[in-house]
Amino acid sequence: AQSVTQLDSHVSVSEGTPVLLRCNYSSSYSPSLFWYVQHPNKGLQLLLKYTSAATLVKGINGFEAEFKKSETSFHLTKPSAHMSDAAEYFCVVSDSLTTDSWGKFQFGAGTQVVVTP
Amino acid sequence: DAMVIQNPRYQVTQFGKPVTLSCSQTLNHNVMYWYQQKSSQAPKLLFHYYDKDFNNEADTPDNFQSRRPNTSFCFLDIRSPGLGDAAMYLCATSRDGRGGTDTQYFGPGTRLTVL
Repeated sequence: AQSVTQLDSHVSVSEGTPVLLRCNYSSSYSPSLFWYVQHPNKGLQLLLKYTSAATLVKGINGFEAEFKKSETSFHLTKPSAHMSDAAEYFCVVSDSLTTDSWGKFQFGAGTQVVVTP
Repeated sequence: DAMVIQNPRYQVTQFGKPVTLSCSQTLNHNVMYWYQQKSSQAPKLLFHYYDKDFNNEADTPDNFQSRRPNTSFCFLDIRSPGLGDAAMYLCATSRDGRGGTDTQYFGPGTRLTVL
């Protein structure tokens, strides 16, 4: 069975300072991991994904995440927060027994990011 | 260019009055999903279509139905909306869905209000 834990439900940062959103996962198989962002009253936008290639994944808007199998983590970072980064962020894990088996998305509970001037 | 389109963006209905939400996609993806997202919660999968094959989540109420007349369109029907069905409804697509590596692409959502 798969599961995702986002360790912080709420993160507040000052504009220009680094952002760290923590995500731990459990998976029985080789997982794919995703980070999505959701601005108020909008759909989910893909920031980045990991699918067993390079462990450091670069995404859009200056975000990146590192897959650490030994720590079962996939933390999201950005060196310098911008006001437009204020949103809800979801860590998602997907896995399947085989390449032909169904891969179901499991969402974390989300982290609300507030950026102060 | 919009890839997953949902209409309407905001829908108000009355308690017990049937309502239909629409989703269309220009990606030609095989899989379409419907999620329900309540305030400050993660999206919850209601069901998905793999091509024409319908897959219902075990805990999705019978009040929720879906239709997929063709590859591009998928509809969510709520037969008798209750106050507890007020939520954001998200449509998503993926190319294949198998193997666990596929990306889901989300529409902007429909905010449903039940009076």
